[in-house]
Amino acid sequence: DQQVKQNSPSLSVQEGRISILNCDYTNSMFDYFLWYKKYPAEGPTFLISISSIKDKNEDGRFTVFLNKSAKHLSLHIVPSQPGDSAVYFCAASDNNDMRFGAGTRLTVKP
Amino acid sequence: EAGVAQSPRYKIIEKRQSVAFWCNPISGHATLYWYQQILGQGPKLLIQFQNNGVVDDSQLPKDRFSAERLKGVDSTLKIQPAKLEDSAVYLCASSLARLAPSSYNEQFFGPGTRLTVL
Repeated sequence: DQQVKQNSPSLSVQEGRISILNCDYTNSMFDYFLWYKKYPAEGPTFLISISSIKDKNEDGRFTVFLNKSAKHLSLHIVPSQPGDSAVYFCAASDNNDMRFGAGTRLTVKP
Repeated sequence: EAGVAQSPRYKIIEKRQSVAFWCNPISGHATLYWYQQILGQGPKLLIQFQNNGVVDDSQLPKDRFSAERLKGVDSTLKIQPAKLEDSAVYLCASSLARLAPSSYNEQFFGPGTRLTVL
């Protein structure tokens, strides 16, 4: 069951421009949403999160937006840097369970 | 602060063989998770421990997979016998104990063990 979907397997942007990664979910019981970043041969590392009671959370160059009515969240990276090139996983959590999307590979070109 | 440790990093076995993975969580983290990540997919939770007790193993294929965390610290995940479709990266993660049902504690992931079943 794909409760969390990332429909774009890859995204390529130019350095300095905005990267927008999207994620959709189906389970209305999810109350916490996260983005993880993964480099090759490493485990995912936490990037930013948002509670379901908020619609925006910002941390430096990274902003996560949540649209509960549409069951959609997005991650904005601005400005994008070459070091941001990685696979980004969207995840959603309820009380006990965390479900991950399949990931979007972001490539930031110099 | 030391991160989540996993070993081995890579393992190649033939189908029907057995294999075991080891994980040592961050010190003080009561909750430990094992995930399976198949190529092209996101991590899928196999089992979650709170100290030495199992919280959720609903997605663990119990006919061939087993996991234990006997002393509530490190953990092992075993596959016996392995199938071709078990080829994946096995990720271990840990977090502080959940304080309340509505709270969330960040999960810290280890580097994973890449298993190839031939």
